[in-house]
Amino acid sequence: EDQVTQSPEALRLQEGESSSLNCSYTVSGLRGLFWYRQDPGKGPEFLFTLYSAGEEKEKERLKATLTKKESFLHITAPKPEDSATYLCAVQRGGAQKLVFGQGTRLTINP
Amino acid sequence: DAGVIQSPRHEVTEMGQEVTLRCKPISGHDYLFWYRQTMMRGLELLIYFNNNVPIDDSGMPEDRFSAKMPNASFSTLKIQPSEPRDSAVYFCASSLEGRYGYTFGSGTRLTVV
Repeated sequence: EDQVTQSPEALRLQEGESSSLNCSYTVSGLRGLFWYRQDPGKGPEFLFTLYSAGEEKEKERLKATLTKKESFLHITAPKPEDSATYLCAVQRGGAQKLVFGQGTRLTINP
Repeated sequence: DAGVIQSPRHEVTEMGQEVTLRCKPISGHDYLFWYRQTMMRGLELLIYFNNNVPIDDSGMPEDRFSAKMPNASFSTLKIQPSEPRDSAVYFCASSLEGRYGYTFGSGTRLTVV
């Protein structure tokens, strides 16, 4: 069974304090690993898809990386508007559904 | 494009009543997914459709839940009869070819009292 574990559950940072969120996964034949951002009262918003180990993608202050067992979402010099829950999900080869982790709730204090 | 549109945004109903949630996917997307989100279990897939045909409903909790997609522009998720443990946020999402990141709607917050 596909499994996704995210850590930490919650993270509180000061503005400008860089850090990383972890997503460990177990899946048979990874097709893609997805990162989403979710704000309170809203649906998840797509950020990145990573397809193979060694791949990296960047968007503003966020950079996602992928190995064969885990993915990291690096946040550089975060701002308060980066506060949200970040969700990781995996999709196995030949399948369409995404299996989500529980998320990391990130708070950036000004 | 207006994105994935769900209605209603909030629904409060009494135990035993029928509840219908609605979703309009992004035009041209051929996959539609229904997810449920709770604090305890996170995001769980209930059912998904490809070209209006249900493909996998293994996540539907029990026979009280049913979903339909009569055309490419509309889907419903029905709960009959509803129970307090059905209280959750229900999301609809659509995707092109199932390969790319889903686009989620804003969700329907269901409260069953």
